[in-house]
Amino acid sequence: EAGVTQFPSHSVIEKGQTVTLRCDPISGHDNLYWYRRVMGKEIKFLLHFVKESKQDESGMPNNRFLAERTGGTYSTLKVQPAELEDSGVYFCASSFRTGGTEAFFGQGTRLTVV
Amino acid sequence: QKEVEQNSGPLSVPEGAIASLNCTYSDRVSQSFFWYRQYSGKSPELIMSIYSNGDKEDGRFTAQLNKASQYVSLLIRDSQPSDSATYLCAVNREGGNKLVFGAGTILRVKS
Repeated sequence: EAGVTQFPSHSVIEKGQTVTLRCDPISGHDNLYWYRRVMGKEIKFLLHFVKESKQDESGMPNNRFLAERTGGTYSTLKVQPAELEDSGVYFCASSFRTGGTEAFFGQGTRLTVV
Repeated sequence: QKEVEQNSGPLSVPEGAIASLNCTYSDRVSQSFFWYRQYSGKSPELIMSIYSNGDKEDGRFTAQLNKASQYVSLLIRDSQPSDSATYLCAVNREGGNKLVFGAGTILRVKS
């Protein structure tokens, strides 16, 4: 069974440009999460989808970040326009159930904004 | 005070020894606790979950939870060089869906 897959693995963009990250969760997992780790900090929660609905987006830093999950399958996270402080590793995770159950992570997308 | 605290390490242990990794958390309503292992440049890999007080064993790994002390630990028996990685403690609030992570402890197992 395929795990959580993310694309691209690396992205280098200039400040002010737009970047879109993609996540394909484990098949059958209705719950999809985005997390981010910036340099030297802990992994931080961004948002949670249940199927196509945003359940919790309390961790989204500002309105330059837009997450979507059309049809409840894969998800995209768009950063527009990107700023230097957006650099970091963006992780996607998925779980079968909600409420504190085990979540499985993708390999992450390393975003560098120059 | 951070919500989840871990000693950043590195923790160095000889091959075959027991490695003890510790984590404290501040939110008393936390109900679910997880240990992830992360090799450099790789995804966090779930290795243990624990939900109730006491010990939970899985192979060479034992997770220990003490909710009264707000403390969770991971013991790795017969440590191997391949166990060298960063170990992340993650905590989930009661009824919540998001994980709160510690900064991770770097473990180095020397052969």
